[in-house]
Amino acid sequence: AQKVTQAQTEISVVEKEDVTLDCVYETRDTTYYLFWYKQPPSGELVFLIRRNSFDEQNEISGRYSWNFQKSTSSFNFTITASQVVDSAVYFCALSESGGSNYKLTFGKGTLLTVNP
Amino acid sequence: EAQVTQNPRYLITVTGKKLTVTCSQNMNHEYMSWYRQDPGLGLRQIYYSMNVEVTDKGDVPEGYKVSRKEKRNFPLILESPSPNQTSLYFCASSIGTGAYEQYFGPGTRLTVT
Repeated sequence: AQKVTQAQTEISVVEKEDVTLDCVYETRDTTYYLFWYKQPPSGELVFLIRRNSFDEQNEISGRYSWNFQKSTSSFNFTITASQVVDSAVYFCALSESGGSNYKLTFGKGTLLTVNP
Repeated sequence: EAQVTQNPRYLITVTGKKLTVTCSQNMNHEYMSWYRQDPGLGLRQIYYSMNVEVTDKGDVPEGYKVSRKEKRNFPLILESPSPNQTSLYFCASSIGTGAYEQYFGPGTRLTVT
C-alpha cells in the first residue's frame, strides 16, 4: 500500500529564513508520481509541482526548489528566503500508476508559519 | 474560467438527515474524486471516478455514496449522516489518473449534530 509521511507537523520561521519541508513515501510500484500542494489560510488547495519516478532531476522555480531522491524515497521541498505569504499548510502526495490503483494518497501536511 | 465548483460551501445538519454535496467541473476532465480533510489526518480519499458510470472506493468510503451520470458532475451523498462525518470536504478533477495534477474545488464545511 502506498504511504506518505510528513514528519514535521508544524514549522515556524522568521521571514527570509530558508526552510525545508520533508516528505518520505512508500510504494511498491516502479512508476509513480509525487506532488506538492499548498493550502493557504483561505483554504483552497493549490498545485505546486509534479515529479514522476523516472525523473530525479531537482527543480527550481523562483524561491521554491524540490529535491527528489529515490534512494531515500524522499521528495523534499525548500523555500528560500521565506516570506509571510508562504504561510500555509503544505501537502505531499503520491499517485501510483498501473493496475487498478488510481488513488492519490496525501501526507498529513506541514503547517508552515512565516513570522515577520 | 476553468474551475471546480461545490455546493453548498457550508452546511449544518442533524444526524440521519440525508444530504447531497454537489460537485461540477467545466474542464472536460475524465477523473473526479472526493476527499475529506480532518485535523491531524490530512486529506483522505473517499471515492473516485475514472469516467462516467465508473466509480471506486478510496480509503474512507464508509457512509458515503457517489454517482457519475454525467462527465461534469460528481455528487457526494450522505444517506444517514453521523457526527463523525463532520469534516471539510473537497472535490477534485483531473485530465486523467496517475501523472496528472488535480484541480480542487473550494471545499464544503459540513457539521453534523
